[in-house]
Amino acid sequence: ETGVTQSPTHLIKTRGQQVTLRCSSQSGHNTVSWYQQALGQGPQFIFQYYREEENGRGNFPPRFSGLQFPNYSSELNVNALELDDSALYLCASSGGAGGIYEQYFGPGTRLTVT
Amino acid sequence: QKEVEQNSGPLSVPEGAIASLNCTYSDRGSQSFFWYRQYSGKSPELIMFIYSNGDKEDGRFTAQLNKASQYVSLLIRDSQPSDSATYLCAVNPNFGNEKLTFGTGTRLTIIP
Repeated sequence: ETGVTQSPTHLIKTRGQQVTLRCSSQSGHNTVSWYQQALGQGPQFIFQYYREEENGRGNFPPRFSGLQFPNYSSELNVNALELDDSALYLCASSGGAGGIYEQYFGPGTRLTVT
Repeated sequence: QKEVEQNSGPLSVPEGAIASLNCTYSDRGSQSFFWYRQYSGKSPELIMFIYSNGDKEDGRFTAQLNKASQYVSLLIRDSQPSDSATYLCAVNPNFGNEKLTFGTGTRLTIIP
């Protein structure tokens, strides 16, 4: 078990609604990355936050946005939900004393859009 | 063209045999290469990373990298039923395991 937690575990939303997903990073880590994993696919990089600033973004539209807080926890917000947004959303915590290859994924939030 | 390609499988291997998983990537400038294991319904966990050409061994696992051929592989020796999972290959243009590009994964089944 890693020290990365995500909430909620599961979520069902209706198309057009907005959703906020939360991630608490591993103690000592200052970087959080978010990934979207559709069924049967590999995770796709959404964006990364480093010390409260966005530090890189994948090929996702602006309705995907995020925040990182002073304690390095993070939120992923998705507006105007579409059916294709149904996926497992993973956050990954890194940037600790263990070096550049230390990274831990949280358990994920399963989002279903109907 | 997909950036990271893997055979989706399923790949079935008898218990005790060697499982061989392969991955090719399109960005010749890629620097770091990773293998993650993902059990059904769980999040990925890092098995190994490699950034130099050649082999890197860790217990029953060996990662092999050939940058000229843009090819990375994972060998699992003495396969166990607990190795049954989806194996994800991931690539980073830089050193470190942030902002990764993942393949679709290969589903491996170890047959007792």
